[in-house]
Amino acid sequence: GEDVEQSLFLSVREGDSSVINCTYTDSSSTYLYWYKQEPGAGLQLLTYIFSNMDMKQDQRLTVLLNKKDKHLSLRIADTQTGDSAIYFCAERDTGRRALTFGSGTRLQVQP
Amino acid sequence: DAGVTQSPTHLIKTRGQHVTLRCSPISGHKSVSWYQQVLGQGPQFIFQYYEKEERGRGNFPDRFSARQFPNYSSELNVNALLLGDSALYLCASSSGQGSETQYFGPGTRLLVL
Repeated sequence: GEDVEQSLFLSVREGDSSVINCTYTDSSSTYLYWYKQEPGAGLQLLTYIFSNMDMKQDQRLTVLLNKKDKHLSLRIADTQTGDSAIYFCAERDTGRRALTFGSGTRLQVQP
Repeated sequence: DAGVTQSPTHLIKTRGQHVTLRCSPISGHKSVSWYQQVLGQGPQFIFQYYEKEERGRGNFPDRFSARQFPNYSSELNVNALLLGDSALYLCASSSGQGSETQYFGPGTRLLVL
């Protein structure tokens, strides 16, 4: 079955870059997503990438996809304290409608 | 524009009771998905509905059911509640076509005592 894995925790200093990593097993994954969840809140869509792309940049966010290794990363430039949250990687293939999520990476930004 | 709305925001029930959770999608979206997020984990898919028809079902027992109304809003029903049903229940809205990017509501936090 599908599986998505993420490291549990990342701590960075304000102003540094953060890189959150994700691996997935489903070779037919078509879309890969990054969501952000703040305490007590729902999921906020940050960005997504289609599987035929290698990279996508959106302001401070850069997504890199290595389809051969089934590895996805999210880089946040100039990390701010407001970026402290849990970040979820999710994948979906064209045959399924549901998203499969990782367990989330807690990003802690220290001032 | 209003995003995805869910009600109630919080709910406390006791074991054996049933619960109904409600969701209104983004205007113009025809598909609603439900997810369960247990504390410390990622969301798990429960159901997806499109145009009032079930289009997908996750690995949840028959105590869980859902439906979608003509205005595309949706209800999730859970019968015979167990302690393990305590979770954040998230509703996601999508157009139902194309990339089907899912946009999430704030969730309903259910506590079963």
